[in-house]
Amino acid sequence: SQTIHQWPATLVQPVGSPLSLECTVEGTSNPNLYWYRQAAGRGLQLLFYSVGIGQISSEVPQNLSASRPQDRQFILSSKKLLLSDSGFYLCAWRGNGDGELFFGEGSRLTVL
Amino acid sequence: KQEVTQIPAALSVPEGENLVLNCSFTDSAIYNLQWFRQDPGKGLTSLLLIQSSQREQTSGRLNASLDKSSGRSTLYIAASQPGDSATYLCAEPTKAAGNKLTFGGGTRVLVKP
Repeated sequence: SQTIHQWPATLVQPVGSPLSLECTVEGTSNPNLYWYRQAAGRGLQLLFYSVGIGQISSEVPQNLSASRPQDRQFILSSKKLLLSDSGFYLCAWRGNGDGELFFGEGSRLTVL
Repeated sequence: KQEVTQIPAALSVPEGENLVLNCSFTDSAIYNLQWFRQDPGKGLTSLLLIQSSQREQTSGRLNASLDKSSGRSTLYIAASQPGDSATYLCAEPTKAAGNKLTFGGGTRVLVKP
């Protein structure tokens, strides 16, 4: 069966520090991968998606970047965090086509 | 622009009552709609995926209906329990590259014992 792992689950970072959130999927190949952010009291915002290795599409201009170095690995990064980067980050995957979307457990980032 | 709306934003019911959650979408040419549950501080759990060719989909006490002509989907939860307390979100995929989902704002449900 397919599983999705996301880490770290929680982190507190100072403004200006770097960020790396990692997501891996098991039990499937060539998934579509997504990074969403859920800010307090707000809905889900799609940040990045990837349809293949090295293929990254950005949805909104921001202080973050994403990479897909391997088929089932998706990384969210920042060189210098801002206070506004605080939020709940969710990784998700789906197979090709229009199947179900499955989410990881999320990573809560607090920037101080 | 594709939009998905969920009203009300919050709902409180006594235990045992049936829950009716609404989802409206602007793109009548959808090809599926997905319902999720989110517990506080957790990720989203997929509940039901209903294809555009289906009028409803059932899983246990959950039943989701889809009416493309009116742009509506409804999630019914029969005989609600306190454990059903959570936020419920609906989402519709775009036809653009990546099959990205557009999410509604969610309905926060509280089932009182």
